[in-house]
Amino acid sequence: AQSVTQLDSHVSVSEGTPVLLRCNYSSSYSPSLFWYVQHPNKGLQLLLKYTSAATLVKGINGFEAEFKKSETSFHLTKPSAHMSDAAEYFCVVSALASGGYQKVTFGTGTKLQVIP
Amino acid sequence: EAGVAQSPRYKIIEKRQSVAFWCNPISGHATLYWYQQILGQGPKLLIQFQNNGVVDDSQLPKDRFSAERLKGVDSTLKIQPAKLEDSAVYLCASSLSGTGGEKLFFGSGTQLSVL
Repeated sequence: AQSVTQLDSHVSVSEGTPVLLRCNYSSSYSPSLFWYVQHPNKGLQLLLKYTSAATLVKGINGFEAEFKKSETSFHLTKPSAHMSDAAEYFCVVSALASGGYQKVTFGTGTKLQVIP
Repeated sequence: EAGVAQSPRYKIIEKRQSVAFWCNPISGHATLYWYQQILGQGPKLLIQFQNNGVVDDSQLPKDRFSAERLKGVDSTLKIQPAKLEDSAVYLCASSLSGTGGEKLFFGSGTQLSVL
């Protein structure tokens, strides 16, 4: 079985300050991990993904995430928040299920508010 | 390249009515997913197709929901009869081969309101 826990449903930061969105996962197999972003009334867009290469992954718009196997975490960070970062962020785990297909599980999401 | 196409964009129906959603995935993508996203929650997988076969429908309420993937390309998701709690955004996504570690490409979704 696999699961994703996003530890904060809402995060509020001031523009120009760092962003930290927390994610813990559980998976029976070696997982791939993703962060997707969803702006209001827009589709889901991939920010970055980890697939067993470098543990520090860089994504679009200055975001990065670090895979920590010992802590089963994949937290998303950005050094300096921009107003355009206000959106909902989803942590996603993907692993091969016993039937040989990709099983993809979404977290419940973290809504990021950026205060001017 | 063309993205995942979904229609309609919005649908309003009364409870106990039926409704259907359509999805056209990216050309060549073997795996197609239907997700339900209730307001304030993360997307929940309803059904996953590998080509035209179902690989996961464990969370599909089969007494009212059905889905098919025609010739391994287009897909339709139907609800009959609809309940108030079916109000949600229905997202279609596709990926190239479904073998793990792949990016999912999402459509814009269909927003369903059941009154």
